[in-house]
Amino acid sequence: EVQLVESGGGVVRPGGSLRLSCAASGFTFDDYGMSWVRQAPGKGLEWVSGINWNGGSTGYADSVKGRFTISRDNAKNSLYLQMNSLRAEDTALYHCARGIPEDAFDIWGQGTMVTVSS
Amino acid sequence: QSALTQPASVSGSPGQSITISCTGTSSDVGSYNLVSWYQQHPGKAPKLMIYEGSKRPSGVSNRFSGSKSGNTASLTISGLQAEDEADYYCCSYAGSSKGVFGGGTKLTVL
Repeated sequence: EVQLVESGGGVVRPGGSLRLSCAASGFTFDDYGMSWVRQAPGKGLEWVSGINWNGGSTGYADSVKGRFTISRDNAKNSLYLQMNSLRAEDTALYHCARGIPEDAFDIWGQGTMVTVSS
Repeated sequence: QSALTQPASVSGSPGQSITISCTGTSSDVGSYNLVSWYQQHPGKAPKLMIYEGSKRPSGVSNRFSGSKSGNTASLTISGLQAEDEADYYCCSYAGSSKGVFGGGTKLTVL
């Protein structure tokens, strides 16, 4: 079964850091680009960041550029998102998705919740 | 990198057809035939319904179709069914390895 499972979410204070992980299974991970998409409570989807199959090309939304870093470990079939200098407006459910904006996001994880609050 | 513009809500009766628009700019929707559409039921992860503007993934009903004209993409759902009631989001490639979503449209089946 093709599956993406996120972890690493939690409650963090403004200015703090968090590292999200996404474990992929059921497909050849290094055949695909991967992305993070977030959804604030009661709000719409927002593309956050994407990375190509070998990590050689990355992209970030303007809202997170310079604060978030996407990476992947193909040997571990895993995707990561290092989030620094977190703000209240980063509070959201963070989904891992298979694909990059040039393609489409055809597989989604259930998400991991990040809450930034003092 | 502004969000694409979608109507907040649309509605239709069972069996009818509805169209959801997604308006961007010449830097995203207008420049690339790389618009995708997603269906999201409450509490669930989004599901890909249309990619590359008009292509349907395997398993998606042919009642769903996509098109584009200029800076506006559209999703049409024909033969509305109760289970189509959900939120729908468009997404476009915006160049420089970036993507942008629309604000989402709530579809109500009357």
